Amino acid sequence: DQQVKQNSPSLSVQEGRISILNCDYTNSMFDYFLWYKKYPAEGPTFLISISSIKDKNEDGRFTVFLNKSAKHLSLHIVPSQPGDSAVYFCAASRSASNTGKLIFGQGTTLQVKP
Amino acid sequence: KAGVTQTPRYLIKTRGQQVTLSCSPISGHRSVSWYQQTPGQGLQFLFEYFSETQRNKGNFPGRFSGRQFSNSRSEMNVSTLELGDSALYLCASSLLAGVDTGELFFGEGSRLTVL
Repeated sequence: DQQVKQNSPSLSVQEGRISILNCDYTNSMFDYFLWYKKYPAEGPTFLISISSIKDKNEDGRFTVFLNKSAKHLSLHIVPSQPGDSAVYFCAASRSASNTGKLIFGQGTTLQVKP
Repeated sequence: KAGVTQTPRYLIKTRGQQVTLSCSPISGHRSVSWYQQTPGQGLQFLFEYFSETQRNKGNFPGRFSGRQFSNSRSEMNVSTLELGDSALYLCASSLLAGVDTGELFFGEGSRLTVL
């Protein structure tokens, strides 16, 4: 049972344009969401997070939107840069569980073309 | 400040053998989590340790086990290896237990191949 789903395995955008990566979840108990970026041969690195009490969080070129009613979140990268080419994982957790357990999606490979 | 260190980075084993992977968290971090990454499955939670105690465990068979030492270093062990255990095993540390207190910091992983 895949509780966190990233239905697009890959995405290709032109440099300077917007990249939108999507993520859906099924467990309504999730209340904290994160995005991680992973380059080949490296571990995932934290990008941005959002609590369920918010519907938007920005950090520079990265914005995460949360639609709780639709159980959907998205990551917007504007403008996209070639260095953003990586695998992006969304993850969810129940903060009340107070554990390091994250439920990850399968990942979306983003390619930003110069 | 050194990051999360995992050893070995690569290893090859045969079916039926066992393997032990090691993780040294960032200095001062007390929580260590382990994840398995396989193609198409994303990252799947194995277990989390905090102050030498297992706080949470994922849906993996008992062949997968782990422990944490007093210096917060952690090891995971997989016994009676199967072909399907071939994966990238990632260790992550955080200052405290609970991801909302800060993001997880991942190591580069240990790539296990089972032949």
